[in-house]
Amino acid sequence: EVQLVESGGGLVQPGGSLRLSCAASGFTFSSYNMDWVRQAPGKGLEWVSYIHSRSAPIAYADSVRGRFTVSRDNAKNSLYLQMNSLRDEDTAVYYCARDSGVVGSVDYWGQGILVTVSS
Amino acid sequence: SYVLTQPPSVSVAPGRTATITCGGNSIESKSVHWYQQRPGQAPVLVIHNNNDRPSGIPERFSGSNSGNTATLTISRVEAGDEADYYCHVWDSGSNHHVFGSGTEVTVL
Repeated sequence: EVQLVESGGGLVQPGGSLRLSCAASGFTFSSYNMDWVRQAPGKGLEWVSYIHSRSAPIAYADSVRGRFTVSRDNAKNSLYLQMNSLRDEDTAVYYCARDSGVVGSVDYWGQGILVTVSS
Repeated sequence: SYVLTQPPSVSVAPGRTATITCGGNSIESKSVHWYQQRPGQAPVLVIHNNNDRPSGIPERFSGSNSGNTATLTISRVEAGDEADYYCHVWDSGSNHHVFGSGTEVTVL
């Protein structure tokens, strides 16, 4: 069974940093491209970042480029999102997501982890 | 950047057909995916590549894509179909993903 489990969320002050992790199991992690997608309270889905199965290429949404860094460790079946210079508007549930390999569709999502940026 | 436009809400009676649109410039040239998200849950893929259903998704869910509009159709709507629905495209050149604004489906 495919499982994606996020961790590392919580409350952080504006300007602070947080590192999210996603533990993958039930599939060959090193064969799949991965994404981070977030959802602000009461709002829609917003794509955050993409990383290829071999760690390159990488892509970011304009709203986080220069502040967030995505990475992965295929030996540990893990995906990461380092978030720096956090802003109030970064408050959201962050989902780890697997690209299916079919023209970019996302076939599995984690349960999501809440990040709250507030003073 | 590419923009996908969805109606905020759609209401439908049980047993009838719900139609959710997703507008985008020449969207017919792209592969469109659709997700269902129930309150407090992660999204679930219900249609990928315009009109393909993943395993386990009922045949009542179907999709189409033509011109500047992609459409998700839910036939014989049930109470359990009440959820938010999002369309999605991926730009293979930039590896950027774009989601629509979402449509809340209410079953009357």
